[in-house]
Amino acid sequence: KAGVTQTPRYLIKTRGQQVTLSCSPISGHRSVSWYQQTPGQGLQFLFEYFSETQRNKGNFPGRFSGRQFSNSRSEMNVSTLELGDSALYLCASSMRPTSSGNSIYFGEGSWLTVV
Amino acid sequence: GDSVTQMEGPVTLSEEAFLTINCTYTATGYPSLFWYVQYPGEGLQLLLKATKADDKGSNKGFEATYRKETTSFHLEKGSVQVSDSAVYFCALRLNAGNNRKLIWGLGTSLGVNP
Repeated sequence: KAGVTQTPRYLIKTRGQQVTLSCSPISGHRSVSWYQQTPGQGLQFLFEYFSETQRNKGNFPGRFSGRQFSNSRSEMNVSTLELGDSALYLCASSMRPTSSGNSIYFGEGSWLTVV
Repeated sequence: GDSVTQMEGPVTLSEEAFLTINCTYTATGYPSLFWYVQYPGEGLQLLLKATKADDKGSNKGFEATYRKETTSFHLEKGSVQVSDSAVYFCALRLNAGNNRKLIWGLGTSLGVNP
């Protein structure tokens, strides 16, 4: 079956712009988590959604937001982009919330470069 | 606070060498422990996991034993291959409380030369 699909794979934005990234989880999975990966900070948790509700949130400013749709697809939005937002954004899906112990499956990520 | 510490990379080995990537953790309670692998250009994949003390996780020739006394979960492989070149992440998940998100190490890059 298809894995986690993230779009777009690569994008370049300028400072001050906003960006929307999309994630389609594995069919049947209802939990979607978002992570930011940078060389200096490693993998940082952004937020998790399950059944259209945000369950957990990491320590990121309010410029970072997300949502989940009834078909479990999720989007994350970053407004007023800063240079430091340049990173690989990874989406992970699982059948139930990550707290349940289910394995999580990652997409290939969206590479965002802010110039 | 809760945290995961991995040995810094990059690690460079010759094919068939023995691999150890150290991982230690700080956590309240009894977390579950994981190793994830990220191949070039791909997302993370679960490599192995252990959910309680003395459990050994194993997959694709890799092993890691949950050592509560040393709060460690070191990743080992007896004979690495070029195809093992990737970034390896150690992670823990707390199993109590309301916020059970995964906590990640910074990753260790492994390069294997033929």
